[in-house]
This record gives sequence, C-alpha cells and structure tokens, in this order.
Amino acid sequence: KAGVTQTPRYLIKTRGQQVTLSCSPISGHRSVSWYQQTPGQGLQFLFEYFSETQRNKGNFPGRFSGRQFSNSRSEMNVSTLELGDSALYLCASSLTGGQQETQYFGPGTRLLVL
Amino acid sequence: GENVEQHPSTLSVQEGDSAVIKCTYSDSASNYFPWYKQELGKGPQLIIDIRSNVGEKKDQRIAVTLNKTAKHFSLHITETQPEDSAVYFCAAAGSNKLTFGGGTRVLVKP
Repeated sequence: KAGVTQTPRYLIKTRGQQVTLSCSPISGHRSVSWYQQTPGQGLQFLFEYFSETQRNKGNFPGRFSGRQFSNSRSEMNVSTLELGDSALYLCASSLTGGQQETQYFGPGTRLLVL
Repeated sequence: GENVEQHPSTLSVQEGDSAVIKCTYSDSASNYFPWYKQELGKGPQLIIDIRSNVGEKKDQRIAVTLNKTAKHFSLHITETQPEDSAVYFCAAAGSNKLTFGGGTRVLVKP
C-alpha cells in the first residue's frame, strides 16, 4: 500500500505571496491532519479534516486554511506569507481520526519564505 | 490544552548501550501515546505506541512504559546501533490531534 504523499517537496516563496500544499493520504484513510515543524516550536498541530469537514483546529492565524476533497486528498493554503512561515509542513493520515488511531506521516513539504 | 515535555533534548550513547527517553503529559484524558523516529529529510515514522490500558509494550529492541498515575511514559532502546541515530518524538493523543514533545536527538557512536 502506498504511503502518504505530499507535493511539492520543496518550495521557495517571497513574503506576501500565498502557497498551496497538497497531501494524498493512504488509500482508505479518511482523516488528514496537518502539522508545522520548526526548529524553535517543534511539531505543532494545524488542523484535521474528516469527510471534507474541518473537525479540529490548532492555534494558528486565519492565514492558514485547508480543505479536503471527496477522495480524501487535502490541501492547505497559507496566504500573505511571512518569514516565520518557513517550516516543514507535514501531513498525516489515519482511518477515521479516532483518538487511539495511528497517524502515518508523509515526507513533508519544506517551505522557505524569503 | 495538552502539554508534553520530553527529556533529554540530546542523547549520546555508545553502540551497544541502552538509551532512555522520558516524557510527561498534562491532560489525564489522553489515552494513546505513540513514539516517532525522524531521520534527516523524512517525515516522522511510528516506531511503537502504547494505549492507556497497557503499562508496558515491547517490540524487539524497543520498549515503552506508561505510568498513567504519574502521567509519564518512556522509550527504551536496548543494544543501540548506528542506524538508531535520529530524532525521536513522543506524543500524546487527545481530541483527534497529537501533541508532541520537543524531540530528542540521539547519536549512537560506533
């Protein structure tokens, strides 16, 4: 079974631009979560989607948004990019997002904001 | 919300020795505790997990213990090998999201 895939793997943007990242979950998984990883803040939860609905959200500004499609693929968007948005963005999938379910991570998209 | 603390932040061990990483959590409602290993340029990979109805779990050279009363859990790696060198993260699960510890960079010296 193929793992979680994320595209693109690397991205360079300038301040003020917007960016869209894509995540394809493991086949059959319907829950997709997004995390931001930085050296200073570690791994932080952004949001979780299940059946095309955002079910849970972390403490990030409204510039960070996401959506999920009927095939469970998910995208996240960051508008008006800031230097501090430079990070590794990780997507994880699980069957239904239950509290005791294993989340499987993709390789991440490394975003650099100049 | 949940808060997970992880110690130490770095750990250097000689090949063949054991490594122990400790985590504490704050939310008594958390009931699932996975451990992830992250190698350079890759996403976190699950290595072992434990659920709240179990006190200990072992998988070959890796074991995890959980003390729900004290709200702490630990990862034990025995007979360490150079390929165990990586960053390890503990996490606690509640409300459809994982809260991660700060990570431990493990270096196994040959």
